[in-house]
Parts: sequence; structure tokens; C-alpha cells
Amino acid sequence: GIQVEQSPPDLILQEGANSTLRCNFSDSVNNLQWFHQNPWGQLINLFYIPSGTKQNGRLSATTVATERYSLLYISSSQTTDSGVYFCAVVTSGSRLTFGEGTQLTVNP
Amino acid sequence: DAGVTQSPTHLIKTRGQHVTLRCSPISGHKSVSWYQQVLGQGPQFIFQYYEKEERGRGNFPDRFSARQFPNYSSELNVNALLLGDSALYLCASSLSSTGGRTDTQYFGPGTRLTVL
Repeated sequence: GIQVEQSPPDLILQEGANSTLRCNFSDSVNNLQWFHQNPWGQLINLFYIPSGTKQNGRLSATTVATERYSLLYISSSQTTDSGVYFCAVVTSGSRLTFGEGTQLTVNP
Repeated sequence: DAGVTQSPTHLIKTRGQHVTLRCSPISGHKSVSWYQQVLGQGPQFIFQYYEKEERGRGNFPDRFSARQFPNYSSELNVNALLLGDSALYLCASSLSSTGGRTDTQYFGPGTRLTVL
């Protein structure tokens, strides 16, 4: 099956810093989603982005489908951005295959 | 509109018991999927149901089963619980099951199952 790799596995930032999270996938995908999992376990949709670039406030994402990677940018990070960020891809039907996540800690 | 809801929020069982987890999708969504998330890992796909039919099954043993009701709500059943079944069980809903834009999946808060 498809492999989804996320990097870095852990990231510690000071409030106000910028960061880039990467997601590599091993095969063509029908769609790609980025999620933020809060400390209570809730998965929150950030982007649906099978290709191209999207922005939502301080967050933006870019997927280059031909090169099989996606990037999530977080600018001016805040303590509330802490949590685990997951990339997930769809190859058949609407089954999501998740990466292992990036644990982000933003310190005040 | 309410998001995806799941019940119960927490559950403690002992080995060998049976458990039923419940999920109600977002109004208008006809597809429900179940995922298992073990601590420290990403969620793993268990089942997808669309219009009450099974549309996909992940690599899980036959102890895991599910069904979808006419109102599109769903149940996940796990028999003969093992310690390794301890996990966060997540339900997701989407409009359809074709893999396109309308298949953006929205997750519920999860049920945290502990098997002792």
C-alpha cells in the first residue's frame, strides 16, 4: 500500500516563529488532507489540497502532486497551534491513509 | 449544524468482553468511516459504509464489524476484546464515497477505549 512519511516527527518553537511541515507520499493520490489533532484527540480539518496552494489565515499549504509531496506552513505561531499535525491521502474510494504525524510544541 | 457525534466518550472493558461504539454523521452525509488510533500513531482505517453498504475494509480481524442504519448513523462492534484493542476510535463522515472534493472527511471527537 501507499506510504506516507511526515517530517520532522517533533518540532519545538518559540511563539511567533514560522515553520514548515512536510508530507511525502509514495504513489499517486486522489486527494490529500491536512489535520490538526488537539490535546483532547479531536481531528480538525485544515486543508483539502490534492494539488496547488491554499491559504487560511496564518496557515497555508502546497501540494506538488507530480513530485508526491505536500507542505504545511505555519506563520507567527501561537501556543494554541500546539498539537499533532497529520497528513492523510486517499488512493481508493475515500479511505484515508495517515502519516505518523508531526508533534508541534509552541512555547510562550 | 452539529458535527459528527460519537458515544460514549470513554469506555473501560476487560479482556474477552464485547463493545459497541456509536457514531452520528453530519446531517446530509451518507458515508461513515471508522478509524483506530493507537497512542503515538496515526489513525488506521477500519471500515467505510455508504448508503448502508460496506465500501471498504482495512486490515483488521473479523472480531471487528460494523453496520450503517437507514438514518446513516453507524455502529462499530468489537468482540473478544484484547489488550491491544485499547485505542481512540474515530468516526468520520463525508457526503459521498467517490474520492473527490465531496469526500472531504470530518471527524468526530472519538471514543477512548481502555481494555484491562
